[in-house]
Amino acid sequence: EAQVTQNPRYLITVTGKKLTVTCSQNMNHEYMSWYRQDPGLGLRQIYYSMNVEVTDKGDVPEGYKVSRKEKRNFPLILESPSPNQTSLYFCASSLSVLRGETQYFGPGTRLLVL
Amino acid sequence: AQSVAQPEDQVNVAEGNPLTVKCTYSVSGNPYLFWYVQYPNRGLQFLLKYITGDNLVKGSYGFEAEFNKSQTSFHLKKPSALVSDSALYFCAVRDILTGGGNKLTFGTGTQLKVEL
Repeated sequence: EAQVTQNPRYLITVTGKKLTVTCSQNMNHEYMSWYRQDPGLGLRQIYYSMNVEVTDKGDVPEGYKVSRKEKRNFPLILESPSPNQTSLYFCASSLSVLRGETQYFGPGTRLLVL
Repeated sequence: AQSVAQPEDQVNVAEGNPLTVKCTYSVSGNPYLFWYVQYPNRGLQFLLKYITGDNLVKGSYGFEAEFNKSQTSFHLKKPSALVSDSALYFCAVRDILTGGGNKLTFGTGTQLKVEL
């Protein structure tokens, strides 16, 4: 089944404790992206990747890191989480972003930073 | 810069009645336009998109949307609402001319509530 998977689905952590949220897709997509969803703000892009080893900042990259060493995986790293990073996170992928291809979303990771 | 607005935080409609969820956009060139739906505790699911061609786009679950270039709108519609349509709906845009920064820009979402 074609899908985007994220782990963990739920995470409670404390300020400053490094964490990684994994994202994997099995559709051989070139483009991958991370979003955060906050009430009243919709989805805002954190980072995106056009292909392996090519990543770039989105609208709200502060406090986050990403890497794209393999085509299928695009982990999101919070090196020193803070309470304002409490949010719902989504990973998405598409064939590319150039011709209006549909983005497919993972199920989301709900993060609470205490 | 590309942007999208969903002017209604919530839309209430009775089951069986037609529904409309509004979306307006701003781009420098021509847009790619998308609608996604989010059910509780789920990720976003693609409903439909406008790339080019016919202004009326038909999508999943009986939804359709009309691209109106003069009004810069892409409203989502369904002739007869179901209780199961209750969800959060997002409109998204990408500017073809500028590339939109290699991303989609999403609206803030509209909560649709369909009541019996």
